[in-house]
Amino acid sequence: AQSVTQPDIHITVSEGASLELRCNYSYGATPYLFWYVQSPGQGLQLLLKYFSGDTLVQGIKGFEAEFKRSQSSFNLRKPSVHWSDAAEYFCAVGVFSGGYNKLIFGAGTRLAVHP
Amino acid sequence: SAVISQKPSRDICQRGTSLTIQCQVDSQVTMMFWYRQQPGQSLTLIATANQGSEATYESGFVIDKFPISRPNLTFSTLTVSNMSPEDSSIYLCSVTGTGYLEQYFGPGTRLTVT
Repeated sequence: AQSVTQPDIHITVSEGASLELRCNYSYGATPYLFWYVQSPGQGLQLLLKYFSGDTLVQGIKGFEAEFKRSQSSFNLRKPSVHWSDAAEYFCAVGVFSGGYNKLIFGAGTRLAVHP
Repeated sequence: SAVISQKPSRDICQRGTSLTIQCQVDSQVTMMFWYRQQPGQSLTLIATANQGSEATYESGFVIDKFPISRPNLTFSTLTVSNMSPEDSSIYLCSVTGTGYLEQYFGPGTRLTVT
C-alpha cells in the first residue's frame, strides 16, 4: 500500500541555520511528490512538487527538495532558515487513479526556529 | 492557482447537531476534495466531489455522516451530521490544479464539538 513516512515529528533549528526535513515514500509506480506547509491557523500551501525530470526541484520561499529513487526519499531543504519558517511541514505522494491524483500525506514535521 | 474560501472559519457546536461547511472557488474546477485533520494529526481524505455525480467516499467515511453536495463547478458543501466530540477537527477543501496532479487547499474550518 502507498504510504509516506516523515521520521521527525519535531525539529528545532536556530535562525540562519540550514534545514533538512526527511520524507520516505512507498509507492510501486513513478511517484508524484509534494511538500506542503501549514502555518498556525492556516490552510496548506504548496511549497514544491516533483513529477518527473530533474530530481532537484526548486520551490517557493527558498525551499528545494531532491528526489532519490534508490532511497525512496524526497527530502526538503533550505540553506538558511528564517523565523517565519516555523510551521508544520507535510510530505505527500500522489496516487493517480481514475483520472485524478489522490494525495496521501505523511504525519508531518513541526519546525520550531530559535532566534 | 485558484483562490479558495471556506465558511465558517471556525465554529463550536453541540453534540448531536449538524454543521454545513461551504467551499467556494474563484474559478471553475472539475475535482474538489474534502479532508479532515484531527488535532495534532495529518490530513485524511474524506471524499472526492465531482460536479454532476455522487461523491466518492474513502474507507471509513460514509455519506450519512458526511453528506456532500457539488451543485456547480465553483462550489461544494460538506455536512458533518449528528456530531460528537470525536468530530472536532479542521475540515479542509481542496481543488486540483490545471494538470490534475497537484492540489490547492482552502484555509480550513476549525470545528469544536462540545
